[in-house]
Amino acid sequence: DAGVIQSPRHEVTEMGQEVTLRCKPISGHDYLFWYRQTMMRGLELLIYFNNNVPIDDSGMPEDRFSAKMPNASFSTLKIQPSEPRDSAVYFCASSLRGFRFNEQYFGPGTRLTVT
Amino acid sequence: DAKTTQPTSMDCAEGRAANLPCNHSTISGNEYVYWYRQIHSQGPQYIIHGLKNNETNEMASLIITEDRKSSTLILPHATLRDTAVYYCIVRVAETSGSRLTFGEGTQLTVNP
Repeated sequence: DAGVIQSPRHEVTEMGQEVTLRCKPISGHDYLFWYRQTMMRGLELLIYFNNNVPIDDSGMPEDRFSAKMPNASFSTLKIQPSEPRDSAVYFCASSLRGFRFNEQYFGPGTRLTVT
Repeated sequence: DAKTTQPTSMDCAEGRAANLPCNHSTISGNEYVYWYRQIHSQGPQYIIHGLKNNETNEMASLIITEDRKSSTLILPHATLRDTAVYYCIVRVAETSGSRLTFGEGTQLTVNP
């Protein structure tokens, strides 16, 4: 299996632009997670899905952030409009059975820079 | 979550055991010790976790002191691919919608 796939790996955009991050989970995994990692705040859970349904989006910072999972093999995280403070590494993870941290497999991440 | 303290960096010879210490003196009774690592430009990778008994899996062993105030991650036969930043985290096992805060971790460099 190729593991969790994320694209793009790097994104540089100007403040105010829309940014879309993409994720393909491991085939057969029912849970998908979006995280954000910064030096200041560490690794934060933004939202997670179970069977394509959003279960907990309490970590989404504000209305500028939205996430969708139209099918079992694809998810997007969108930021509109983007701001410099959104600069971070965004990770997607998937798991077979549930929320336990030890069962989540992480993708390589997307490094977002908003200027 | 309880705070952890780790050395900033360590070196290890390839093929030898790498012993990474972690202090967590304020750990509470229901908190687990988790170890993750992050290889440059990759996502976090789970290694092992434990509550109070020593644990072993295919990647590593975890030794937790009897008072649970410190632990040691052991990579029995380090390889060059084990070069990474290793994070020790103390937290309740399953919590929804929460922050997983990685400290500064230990940069392990495995030398040929």
